[in-house]
Amino acid sequence: GENVEQHPSTLSVQEGDSAVIKCTYSDSASNYFPWYKQELGKRPQLIIDIRSNVGEKKDQRIAVTLNKTAKHFSLHITETQPEDSAVYFCAGDTGRRALTFGSGTRLQVQP
Amino acid sequence: DAGITQSPRHKVTETGTPVTLRCHQTENHRYMYWYRQDPGHGLRLIHYSYGVKDTDKGEVSDGYSVSRSKTEDFLLTLESATSSQTSVYFCAISSGTDNEKLFFGSGTQLSVL
Repeated sequence: GENVEQHPSTLSVQEGDSAVIKCTYSDSASNYFPWYKQELGKRPQLIIDIRSNVGEKKDQRIAVTLNKTAKHFSLHITETQPEDSAVYFCAGDTGRRALTFGSGTRLQVQP
Repeated sequence: DAGITQSPRHKVTETGTPVTLRCHQTENHRYMYWYRQDPGHGLRLIHYSYGVKDTDKGEVSDGYSVSRSKTEDFLLTLESATSSQTSVYFCAISSGTDNEKLFFGSGTQLSVL
């Protein structure tokens, strides 16, 4: 089955700086890679996703890049703000209409 | 909130007792999922369902069973709860046209003492 590894586990940046979180996956057949944001005490929420036929996708300050050859994908957050502080999870599809998640990255944006 | 609710929101139980968590959806989605969340492990799939009475195991299914007798309800049962099953449990549904997009319920905090 799919295995997704995520790093770093914690990331601290200054407000206004960029943040990058990276994930690798094992199953070359995977073709859908979402990112979820979870604020403290809340449910995970989808913030952006990418499919394998696309190399990059942007939505305002966030972007995701995918390298299928190397089997890794990354989340980029520019001009970080305190409200970006949360735990971020990457995921890959298992081919069974279910997702395998990475272990999460706790992002702290220092004002 | 994609019309998904979980109950109870919090539960404390004792080792060896049975526990059932309920997930209810109002939008007739075919796919429903149960995940558990533990520090350092992210979200791990327990079981999922792709229709009434159609279920399959996830990566951490031991000690759990599920049932789906109606489209709107997906039940997760711990037959004999253990302390290792203390966790936050999230139910999720997937949207209609993009089956991979998951929408999560608010979660159930379960403590097994």
